[in-house]
Amino acid sequence: SYELTQPPSVSVSPGQTARITCSGYALPNQYAYWYQQKPGQAPVLVIYKDTERPSGIPERFSGSNSGTTVTLTISGVQAEDEADYYCQSADSSGTPNWVFGGGTKLTVL
Amino acid sequence: QVTLRESGPALVKPTQTLTLTCTFSGFSLSTSGMCVSWIRQPPGRALEWLALIDWEDDKHYSTSLKTRLTISKDTSKNQVVLTMTNMDPVDTATYYCARIKGLAAGGTDAFDIWGQGTMVSVSS
Repeated sequence: SYELTQPPSVSVSPGQTARITCSGYALPNQYAYWYQQKPGQAPVLVIYKDTERPSGIPERFSGSNSGTTVTLTISGVQAEDEADYYCQSADSSGTPNWVFGGGTKLTVL
Repeated sequence: QVTLRESGPALVKPTQTLTLTCTFSGFSLSTSGMCVSWIRQPPGRALEWLALIDWEDDKHYSTSLKTRLTISKDTSKNQVVLTMTNMDPVDTATYYCARIKGLAAGGTDAFDIWGQGTMVSVSS
């Protein structure tokens, strides 16, 4: 079955830039999406279609795609950005099958 | 304002069938491009997509769980129901429903609005 691979954890100091990667063989052909999840809360969409930001999401959140790896970048990290981040995409089997990555815990030092 | 709310039992016994209901407002599942999906998250673990139903009543299931899942909708009640058979303790998780609004409908094609989730424990 298709898998998306994320690092388990990323740590940055406030004001620095955090980069969270997500790798999968189908990513050149399928859009990626990113969700932020804080403890005890439902996920929130922060990036769609690789690079687009929904309304209400701060500009410090951005996304990029470089083939089989997509990256969520948070510039000028704030304490409130500490959360789990999940990438999501689909495989290329032709049958709709949505997949989430294993999640990355972002710690703001 | 778009909202979704999950409801169902907090505890089921092994081998029983779980039935969850997602009641939503602020959109219609008969509108082109609208979908509702179920996603679960075991305690301390990652999200797992389970099933999706769209405005045309097309249904899609996780490959690994499709033999146990059934998704259906009642457009008049604004509800989507998920049943999962033969429950096991490994199915203990928070179950979320979430909306997808397709790109052609002016949406994001992502799970853009989520319910708060409902915790289901499987134990005898």
